[in-house]
Amino acid sequence: ILNVEQSPQSLHVQEGDSTNFTCSFPSSNFYALHWYRWETAKSPEALFVMTLNGDEKKKGRISATLNTKEGYSYLYIKGSQPEDSATYLCAPLSNDYKLSFGAGTTVTVRA
Amino acid sequence: KAGVTQTPRYLIKTRGQQVTLSCSPISGHRSVSWYQQTPGQGLQFLFEYFSETQRNKGNFPGRFSGRQFSNSRSEMNVSTLELGDSALYLCASSPEGPRASGPTDTQYFGPGTRLTVL
Repeated sequence: ILNVEQSPQSLHVQEGDSTNFTCSFPSSNFYALHWYRWETAKSPEALFVMTLNGDEKKKGRISATLNTKEGYSYLYIKGSQPEDSATYLCAPLSNDYKLSFGAGTTVTVRA
Repeated sequence: KAGVTQTPRYLIKTRGQQVTLSCSPISGHRSVSWYQQTPGQGLQFLFEYFSETQRNKGNFPGRFSGRQFSNSRSEMNVSTLELGDSALYLCASSPEGPRASGPTDTQYFGPGTRLTVL
């Protein structure tokens, strides 16, 4: 199980503003990085899976980048909307096939 | 396709008791994983079952156990409950799990069972 840090723990964003936050993990024993979105009263939902250094993924207004050499990933939300309010979890998959989740970054978008 | 279902959704037990939680995966999914979330903590991996066998295990005491049936449904059991076992327990299913499908294996989560130990 890897030690995963996400920062900040929470953030408030004005509707229409863009934001980003970080996931840090040990670069050794790394196999892939998963991002999940967890809305209140719902189940965590997969956003991205990234495996290669320099990988970039995009889904609508949300995108993510990966640096496996230094062990971090950024998730970006462009033009935040109220429906983006959720907790975003990152989870590196180690090469013993275990997902280690960070505590998450909770995003609140104010209208 | 129906999603992952978990029963019960809420449970209250007292210390020393045991509890069994149930998870039905998405039809066709053979890998089921269990996670625990306590306040302020990320989801912590408990174990993964595939084809009725425990294929992977996290760092939890032996009081936590599980099993999987031939229809891929899984149960998790916690014996001799402690106050610290109060948590949200989530299960997730995937077609084959990362060991077989590779790093891009995506897990689909259920709604969780909220366990309170008094």
